[in-house]
Amino acid sequence: GENVEQHPSTLSVQEGDSAVIKCTYSDSASNYFPWYKQELGKRPQLIIDIRSNVGEKKDQRIAVTLNKTAKHFSLHITETQPEDSAVYFCAASRFGAGNMLTFGGGTRLMVKP
Amino acid sequence: EAQVTQNPRYLITVTGKKLTVTCSQNMNHEYMSWYRQDPGLGLRQIYYSMNVEVTDKGDVPEGYKVSRKEKRNFPLILESPSPNQTSLYFCASRRDSNYGYTFGSGTRLTVV
Repeated sequence: GENVEQHPSTLSVQEGDSAVIKCTYSDSASNYFPWYKQELGKRPQLIIDIRSNVGEKKDQRIAVTLNKTAKHFSLHITETQPEDSAVYFCAASRFGAGNMLTFGGGTRLMVKP
Repeated sequence: EAQVTQNPRYLITVTGKKLTVTCSQNMNHEYMSWYRQDPGLGLRQIYYSMNVEVTDKGDVPEGYKVSRKEKRNFPLILESPSPNQTSLYFCASRRDSNYGYTFGSGTRLTVV
């Protein structure tokens, strides 16, 4: 089955700096890669996703890049703010392979004011 | 409002006493799933369903059962709970495998 590894497990940045979280996946047939944000005590919420037919996607301060050859994808947050502090999860799945969505282990992002 | 509703939010039970966590979605999604979240282990998929009467095991199915008799409901059943099933459980639904999940609010289960 799919295996998703996520790094780093914790990340501390100063407000206004950029943050980058990286994930690698094992199944070369995976073609859908969502990112979730989970604030303390809350449910995971989808913040951005990318499909394998594109290499990059942006939404305001958030961007995701995908390198299919290397089997890795990354989340980039620019101009970080204290409210970006949360745990971020990457995930991967393959269309047509059932309903399996495999998550990475999570990254705790702390943005210091 | 489009949502996934799971109940209860908190549950403390004793070893061996059967329990059910309910999950319902109002988005007409085909796909539903249960995850458990444990510190240091992230989100692990327990069971999933791709349609009514179609369910399959995820990564950690032992000790759990599910059913999908109606499209909107996907209950999680623990026939004989044990302390190692103490965890935070999330129900989720999505349109298909090319879309992300919408998660419920979570159920914090403690088995003593």
